[in-house]
Amino acid sequence: GAVVSQHPSWVICKSGTSVKIECRSLDFQATTMFWYRQFPKQSLMLMATSNEGSKATYEQGVEKDKFLINHASLTLSTLTVTSAHPEDSSFYICSATHRDRYQPQHFGDGTRLSIL
Amino acid sequence: AQKVTQAQTEISVVEKEDVTLDCVYETRDTTYYLFWYKQPPSGELVFLIRRNSFDEQNEISGRYSWNFQKSTSSFNFTITASQVVDSAVYFCALSVRAAGNKLTFGGGTRVLVKP
Repeated sequence: GAVVSQHPSWVICKSGTSVKIECRSLDFQATTMFWYRQFPKQSLMLMATSNEGSKATYEQGVEKDKFLINHASLTLSTLTVTSAHPEDSSFYICSATHRDRYQPQHFGDGTRLSIL
Repeated sequence: AQKVTQAQTEISVVEKEDVTLDCVYETRDTTYYLFWYKQPPSGELVFLIRRNSFDEQNEISGRYSWNFQKSTSSFNFTITASQVVDSAVYFCALSVRAAGNKLTFGGGTRVLVKP
């Protein structure tokens, strides 16, 4: 089945650091990737939609300059949390869809980000 | 706008009991998909089922079954003869073709199965 790899699985870093999270579709071409954020004991909230070769579309309330998304190829999207602060600590999870957009989204295993 | 409501925040059962998770959705679109995902403590999302808005057939997969009723905008999920390994958070989600198939998640229901 379709596999999405997300790296790193967890990261701890100091406040002010920028952190990059990668999301790769391993065995299919992902024209669209989604980035979600999940706080402890809460649901997943969509942050942005990333389409290959174009700018990401951000959901209302998500800071574009804070969360930089790049979808440079059909198999890779990256989320960079710039100048991270403790309030950015969260679980970030990506998903990807096939060219056939009516296939279920396939999720990565998520990244636990802790900012000290 | 789309909305998914999972009224039960947490359910605790004893092993072998059945458990039903409720999901109610709202959308004005006629073409949409409904999903259930399982999130174990390790955090990854496990896809369980997808149902499109034109297919109201109920489905059974092993100990899992789903009841889709458009008349009440509900897509309920039942685990029969629950096991400890079923302990997880379960999310119901909705995607609408007109909105680019973005997923709108419900708040999730935490299921705790005690031995």
